[in-house]
Amino acid sequence: DAKTTQPPSMDCAEGRAANLPCNHSTISGNEYVYWYRQIHSQGPQYIIHGLKNNETNEMASLIITEDRKSSTLILPHATLRDTAVYYCIVRARGGGADGLTFGKGTHLIIQP
Amino acid sequence: ETGVTQTPRHLVMGMTNKKSLKCEQHLGHNAMYWYKQSAKKPLELMFVYNFKEQTENNSVPSRFSPECPNSSHLFLHLHTLQPEDSALYLCASSQAPGRQFFGPGTRLTVL
Repeated sequence: DAKTTQPPSMDCAEGRAANLPCNHSTISGNEYVYWYRQIHSQGPQYIIHGLKNNETNEMASLIITEDRKSSTLILPHATLRDTAVYYCIVRARGGGADGLTFGKGTHLIIQP
Repeated sequence: ETGVTQTPRHLVMGMTNKKSLKCEQHLGHNAMYWYKQSAKKPLELMFVYNFKEQTENNSVPSRFSPECPNSSHLFLHLHTLQPEDSALYLCASSQAPGRQFFGPGTRLTVL
């Protein structure tokens, strides 16, 4: 799986959009970008994933650059409950059950 | 609630004890996983089971012994652990590769 790079921490004001960047310059054609988050001492929670098109669901939007070497997770109206560590993971989607490789992620702190 | 439950939520054990962690998923998934999260470290994959067969053992010491009797249940048997094995142990399940559902974890302390 391709390596990802994320800033270790970010702050965002409550009610504003939180934009979390991720670099994955070695991503290959069959690899998807997945985002998870982990609220303190809980299990990680799936947020969204995409291949090359932008994706949106009830939790967030995912913007992937045209060259696919980076992406941005957008939380449109951040709340205090969005304070968590956010993980960007790149992996191929096909072929059986494979574990996820988690990095250190970005610790997003939502300020009141 | 993710549909994945883990028991116990907290466990304290001595180095000579034998204990087991239990994970149960009610989602009809075929794959189940054990992860370990030590303090200030990223999650580490330990074991993968697909259709009850172990498909990955990520160089885990033999004092950790997994068991998957059916697609809904996963156990992690612990014996002769060390204090450095103290961590949050997380179970997950999946149907679609990449999209995993995690349980709340068991916080293990080894004295």
